[in-house]
Amino acid sequence: DQQVKQNSPSLSVQEGRISILNCDYTNSMFDYFLWYKKYPAEGPTFLISISSIKDKNEDGRFTVFLNKSAKHLSLHIVPSQPGDSAVYFCAASVGGAQKLVFGQGTRLTINP
Amino acid sequence: EPEVTQTPSHQVTQMGQEVILRCVPISNHLYFYWYRQILGQKVEFLVSFYNNEISEKSEIFDDQFSVERPDGSNFTLKIRSTKLEDSAMYFCASSLDRGNAEAFFGQGTRLTVV
Repeated sequence: DQQVKQNSPSLSVQEGRISILNCDYTNSMFDYFLWYKKYPAEGPTFLISISSIKDKNEDGRFTVFLNKSAKHLSLHIVPSQPGDSAVYFCAASVGGAQKLVFGQGTRLTINP
Repeated sequence: EPEVTQTPSHQVTQMGQEVILRCVPISNHLYFYWYRQILGQKVEFLVSFYNNEISEKSEIFDDQFSVERPDGSNFTLKIRSTKLEDSAMYFCASSLDRGNAEAFFGQGTRLTVV
């Protein structure tokens, strides 16, 4: 099941710079997209979401961009902080949060 | 801040044994979910539960699995006869609403079947 793909298993960014995490999807029925952050031995923590009627949603240092024609979304974190080091999952659903389809995750490391 | 809590954090069981994983969702949430993550793989949806019945389940959620909300607070996942391939992290989640509502996840139960 490759409906949601995160092609970069890892990303390393210097503290203070912008982190850009990418996600692609194949199911055009997806209408709601979410980003989760996960630390080791913890469950995924919700970060930010976007509905398919929008192309951008911003919350503090986090911005999610949605390009429906390309079936692509990205998460921008600026400025990046050491506490942002974690695994980031994108997820998508049809008609709300009844069933989330997750990507494989990208491990983000923020270097001091 | 309200949170989803799961017990136990780690469960070791022998193949063929029954296990029950427990979860206390956020109190005013109406939708409840179980997901699992096999080591090195994606987080996978198992089942969603609303109004005391299953609303959606994946192909993984076969007859060996069942869910229950035995009282007003707990939400359980039972695996009747565990197999080695059931070894995974199991995450419970809950959400306030169905439409465009984010799911909040518990810290997970690591199930090891030996």
